[in-house]
Amino acid sequence: DSGVTQTPKHLITATGQRVTLRCSPRSGDLSVYWYQQSLDQGLQFLIQYYNGEERAKGNILERFSAQQFPDLHSELNLSSLELGDSALYFCASSVEWRTEAFFGQGTRLTVV
Amino acid sequence: EDQVTQSPEALRLQEGESSSLNCSYTVSGLRGLFWYRQDPGKGPEFLFTLYSAGEEKEKERLKATLTKKESFLHITAPKPEDSATYLCAVSAGNTPLVFGKGTRLSVIA
Repeated sequence: DSGVTQTPKHLITATGQRVTLRCSPRSGDLSVYWYQQSLDQGLQFLIQYYNGEERAKGNILERFSAQQFPDLHSELNLSSLELGDSALYFCASSVEWRTEAFFGQGTRLTVV
Repeated sequence: EDQVTQSPEALRLQEGESSSLNCSYTVSGLRGLFWYRQDPGKGPEFLFTLYSAGEEKEKERLKATLTKKESFLHITAPKPEDSATYLCAVSAGNTPLVFGKGTRLSVIA
């Protein structure tokens, strides 16, 4: 158990809908990352927050947004969902923004 | 752009047959190189961090080494439970972890 908690574990939704994925980092970790993993794409970095502020942005679509709250948990919002958004979404956390990151078990999103 | 390339894409070993996985990288200002293990449908599990050329880390049957251009993950006398995808990632400059596509390892009893 990495100490990073993601909910829900599975999510099935229709195209055009909006969903919210939630992440609670390890106790003491200030940095939260979101990654997307599709079958043949590997882990793609989406966005990083550090102590409530956006630190880095990767290949995140405009339909996606995230935030980190004062209690350091984070949410990833995915809207106007398309079939191609079906993937595993991972949250990871680290003490600082350049150290090893610990991953949650992911949310498997299926868009139908 | 930072690049991380892992080889081979897939590797099949007999139990007890030692081998090495490769991770080559082209980044400016390497801050750290990280190895993870990922089981199907699960989150990556952290294994090692290497910070400078010449550094080595060991854990059970795994040993990670680092040069200025690449890292190796050596697996000694693997067992079936070592079967997984092994991911390499680098942190450089102000960017977060950039991952390679991984090596799928199968160890056959």
